[in-house]
Amino acid sequence: NAGVTQTPKFRILKIGQSMTLQCAQDMNHNYMYWYRQDPGMGLKLIYYSVGAGITDKGEVPNGYNVSRSTTEDFPLRLELAAPSQTSVYFCASSIQELNTEAFFGQGTRLTVV
Amino acid sequence: GQNIDQPTEMTATEGAIVQINCTYQTSGFNGLFWYQQHAGEAPTFLSYNVLDGLEEKGRFSSFLSRSKGYSYLLLKELQMKDSASYLCAALDSNYQLIWGAGTKLIIKP
Repeated sequence: NAGVTQTPKFRILKIGQSMTLQCAQDMNHNYMYWYRQDPGMGLKLIYYSVGAGITDKGEVPNGYNVSRSTTEDFPLRLELAAPSQTSVYFCASSIQELNTEAFFGQGTRLTVV
Repeated sequence: GQNIDQPTEMTATEGAIVQINCTYQTSGFNGLFWYQQHAGEAPTFLSYNVLDGLEEKGRFSSFLSRSKGYSYLLLKELQMKDSASYLCAALDSNYQLIWGAGTKLIIKP
C-alpha cells in the first residue's frame, strides 16, 4: 500500500520558471491538501480539495494553482517561481472531513534561486 | 487572530517522562491533533482530542482542556527514536487546521 506519493523529492528552480509537484494517493480518500512548511513556522495550507472536480483556496494560495480531475491525483502548479516559494511542500489526504487523521506524502524540498 | 503556542525545543533523558504543552486560540474549536515529525520526514498522526480529558495510547498520552485552550502530549519511557518534532494543530469552526511551529524534542542517553 503506497499511501500518498509525491514527486519530485528535491528540485531547484530558477526565478520565473514553472513546475508541477505531483501527488497521488491510493487510499480512495476524498480530501486532499497541499501544505508548505518553512523553518520555524507551522504548516500553512495552500489549497485543498474535498473531491474530484472541487478545489478551494487555503491560507496561502497566491502563486499556486491546483486541479483535481481524479480522486487519486492532486497536482500543485507553481507559475513564475519566486524565492519566497522556497520551502518544503507536503501533500496529504484524509478519508473525509478534517477531524480525521491525515496521511502525508514524503515532501518535496523546493529551492528557487 | 488564530494562534498556536508550543515550546520551540525541549531536552529529556532516555527512559524519562516529558510533557509537551500547547495552547491555542482559534475561532471556534473542533478538536486538537498531535503529529510526530522526524527530521526530513513527513508528519505522522499521534492523537486527536475533542473532549476534555486524557487519552492514553501506549507510551503516548494526550490531554485536552477546552475551557483553558490547552493541551499536552505526555511521552513515557522515552526512547532515542522519540527524538523528533511534535506538532500541535487545532481545528477551527471552519474545519481549517491551525498548526503550531512544532516542538523539537532532543533525547539524551
